[in-house]
Amino acid sequence: GAGVSQSPSNKVTEKGKDVELRCDPISGHTALYWYRQSLGQGLEFLIYFQGNSAPDKSGLPSDRFSAERTGGSVSTLTIQRTQQEDSAVYLCASSLIQASVLAKNIQYFGAGTRLSVL
Amino acid sequence: DAKTTQPPSMDCAEGRAANLPCNHSTISGNEYVYWYRQIHSQGPQYIIHGLKNNETNEMASLIITEDRKSSTLILPHATLRDTAVYYCIVINDKIIFGKGTRLHILP
Repeated sequence: GAGVSQSPSNKVTEKGKDVELRCDPISGHTALYWYRQSLGQGLEFLIYFQGNSAPDKSGLPSDRFSAERTGGSVSTLTIQRTQQEDSAVYLCASSLIQASVLAKNIQYFGAGTRLSVL
Repeated sequence: DAKTTQPPSMDCAEGRAANLPCNHSTISGNEYVYWYRQIHSQGPQYIIHGLKNNETNEMASLIITEDRKSSTLILPHATLRDTAVYYCIVINDKIIFGKGTRLHILP
């Protein structure tokens, strides 16, 4: 597609339920990133994928959070047993890896999924 | 912790140059400085990046000090559409966004 697509755009769920957030990166982009942004805060890095593997998962807040990427394309961020503090906008970005380090990669962001846990 | 420090907010008159400062005193030699902005309810948008030299593109200019410990993003002729939160980030193997600078363009 022309840009990074995230779905759903809004998700309201009850505490304790599981949710899945989807990200469709720009076609051909090998790197994919997930961030979380709480109200009025900056972006919190969660995880990034190079192809289907995630070199660094240290940003995931707890073991209730997991992410996978298949076929080097679509990624899913899953939050199990959601809590109210999980309420935030979840942003996905992708980039065309130009080098083996992150330093040279411009990220293109989706519009995000706004998650509200009641 | 963010590796950059930015003022929380700034005002700029429409049509004037907006100069947004960023301190990154702990930057190391192979770390790039990136600037993104986030307009309300949208995902962040890439603006510009640099390593050592000053850079210019159609959106902005980036001035990096010789010691690389600080930089300034310049929007040469600010418009109301430039109202956004501007993030200065340093990237090597970690990606850390701070809280950015909320830029208000005044008509």
